[in-house]
Amino acid sequence: GIQVEQSPPDLILQEGANSTLRCNFSDSVNNLQWFHQNPWGQLINLFYIPSGTKQNGRLSATTVATERYSLLYISSSQTTDSGVYFCAASGTYKYIFGTGTRLKVLA
Amino acid sequence: GAGVSQSPRYKVAKRGQDVALRCDPISGHVSLFWYQQALGQGPEFLTYFQNEAQLDKSGLPSDRFFAERPEGSVSTLKIQRTQQEDSAVYLCASSQTGGQGKTQYFGPGTRLLVL
Repeated sequence: GIQVEQSPPDLILQEGANSTLRCNFSDSVNNLQWFHQNPWGQLINLFYIPSGTKQNGRLSATTVATERYSLLYISSSQTTDSGVYFCAASGTYKYIFGTGTRLKVLA
Repeated sequence: GAGVSQSPRYKVAKRGQDVALRCDPISGHVSLFWYQQALGQGPEFLTYFQNEAQLDKSGLPSDRFFAERPEGSVSTLKIQRTQQEDSAVYLCASSQTGGQGKTQYFGPGTRLLVL
């Protein structure tokens, strides 16, 4: 089955810094999502992006399906960006999650 | 409209007790999923419904776990004779369809602690 790896596992930033989170997947996928899990455990959908590039405010994502990776960019980070970022991928409906990137943004 | 809701948000059970966790998906969403998230890990797939049909239950850890969605909307995940290893966050997600091309939206989860 599909395997999903995320890097880096942990990231500490000063407020205002930019960052790039990476998600590698082992097989071709038809669905890929990026989530932010806040400190209360809620998984917030950031992007549905099986291919291409999308932007939403300070966040953007790019998936290169042929090379089996996706990137999440966070610009001008804020303390509220802290939490765990998950990438999840599937061939059909069963999402396989990576182990996440734990981000802490310092004021 | 309202998102996915789950209840209870927290549940403490004594080992051996039965528990029932409820999920209310987004109205009109055909597909419903249950995931289990252990501490420090990503969610792991448990089971998938399309309307009232349970099409995949390959992720259920044992026959103590049972899920149903009798009318194609609300779903219940039941765990019989709970064990300490069942302690986790149980997440429910729904999507318009279960196939390709649809976003899964997650509820806030039920945090289960088995003592």
